[in-house]
Amino acid sequence: NAGVTQTPKFQVLKTGQSMTLQCAQDMNHNSMYWYRQDPGMGLRLIYYSASEGTTDKGEVPNGYNVSRLNKREFSLRLESAAPSQTSVYFCASRVEDTSYEQYFGPGTRLTVT
Amino acid sequence: RKEVEQDPGPFNVPEGATVAFNCTYSNSASQSFFWYRQDCRKEPKLLMSVYSSGNEDGRFTAQLNRASQYISLLIRDSKLSDSATYLCVVIYTGGGNKLTFGTGTQLKVEL
Repeated sequence: NAGVTQTPKFQVLKTGQSMTLQCAQDMNHNSMYWYRQDPGMGLRLIYYSASEGTTDKGEVPNGYNVSRLNKREFSLRLESAAPSQTSVYFCASRVEDTSYEQYFGPGTRLTVT
Repeated sequence: RKEVEQDPGPFNVPEGATVAFNCTYSNSASQSFFWYRQDCRKEPKLLMSVYSSGNEDGRFTAQLNRASQYISLLIRDSKLSDSATYLCVVIYTGGGNKLTFGTGTQLKVEL
């Protein structure tokens, strides 16, 4: 099993450009999450999806949109990138019913210039 | 005040030393607690859950003090491979079971 995979691993954008970060998990987990991690701020939840077809805002959703395409895939879109969105983005998933343990992908390092 | 607070460190300790980290949380209704480990430029991974009665996993011991609203992680006989950032995680069941992460404590184990 690959666990949680993310693409791309690195990305540089200019201000105003758009892009989609892809995430997929092969563990049949119901819940999926998008976080950003910034120095001194810890991991902050952007959006989450408790099940296929549902999405909810987290702590810092402004400037982002998400799509839970199916049970496996959860994408994060930046419509008009800003320098404040320079960060490391992690996708995670968990089995809702049995454990609070979250499994993280390897992260996407995004720089917006 | 942050919901979950940790001393960022770094804690520089010699190999074989015992080191302890604390993490304080502000919401007394918090239900579940965890320690995650994050290596440099890698993703976080679950280290251990923290139970009310305390729990031990090899060289690692986690404790919960609800009265003072903190959790602790004790590492005995530190190894070079223990060098990482340790993230405290708290879950509020009233908050939709979402995890709240501390900013992490950096540990450097030296020869």
